[in-house]
Amino acid sequence: DGGITQSPKYLFRKEGQNVTLSCEQNLNHDAMYWYRQDPGQGLRLIYYSQIVNDFQKGDIAEGYSVSREKKESFPLTVTSAQKNPTAFYLCASNDRRPNSPLHFGNGTRLTVT
Amino acid sequence: DAKTTQPTSMDCAEGRAANLPCNHSTISGNEYVYWYRQIHSQGPQYIIHGLKNNETNEMASLIITEDRKSSTLILPHATLRDTAVYYCIVRANSNAGGTSYGKLTFGQGTILTVHP
Repeated sequence: DGGITQSPKYLFRKEGQNVTLSCEQNLNHDAMYWYRQDPGQGLRLIYYSQIVNDFQKGDIAEGYSVSREKKESFPLTVTSAQKNPTAFYLCASNDRRPNSPLHFGNGTRLTVT
Repeated sequence: DAKTTQPTSMDCAEGRAANLPCNHSTISGNEYVYWYRQIHSQGPQYIIHGLKNNETNEMASLIITEDRKSSTLILPHATLRDTAVYYCIVRANSNAGGTSYGKLTFGQGTILTVHP
């Protein structure tokens, strides 16, 4: 079945360590996105990529980095510079049709202590 | 993108229709209305979207008022598995390459609880 896979579901790290979250899609979508969700809040856009080897900052990119070397993969690195990294991270994708809806993965819950 | 206003929470009896309202009084002519839902600890799920005509799919119906300042998502026969947070989002028409392409602004949404 086609879809978006995020792994792992739960991730624990010590403060000061960088950590990379995986996102893979087999929907042949051109665009991919990373959102962050904090308890009781809506989603906030971190980074997005419309094509391979290109990406743009979203609304809260500070302390994060991404790469888009392959169409199906869009990993997110949470660096030690991110002041509040503990959150629920969601990856999404869509195709090039106008107003194409986003399809989301089931998220990775990152806890940094 | 236009701002939306939704009730914080709603209840619905199982088997009955769930009608979730959304106000978007500042919507522009080229902005679409999207609905997503999110079950606890899962990613949001796309439900439906529309511009000005009413839309229906296998999950729900979307009714948009003639002035487009509000809309209602209808789940015709709610089940316990429909308990979730429902998000109404308004976004301008966008094509690949545009600066707003694919970007969605999620607010607080409506917590729908379906009870037996």
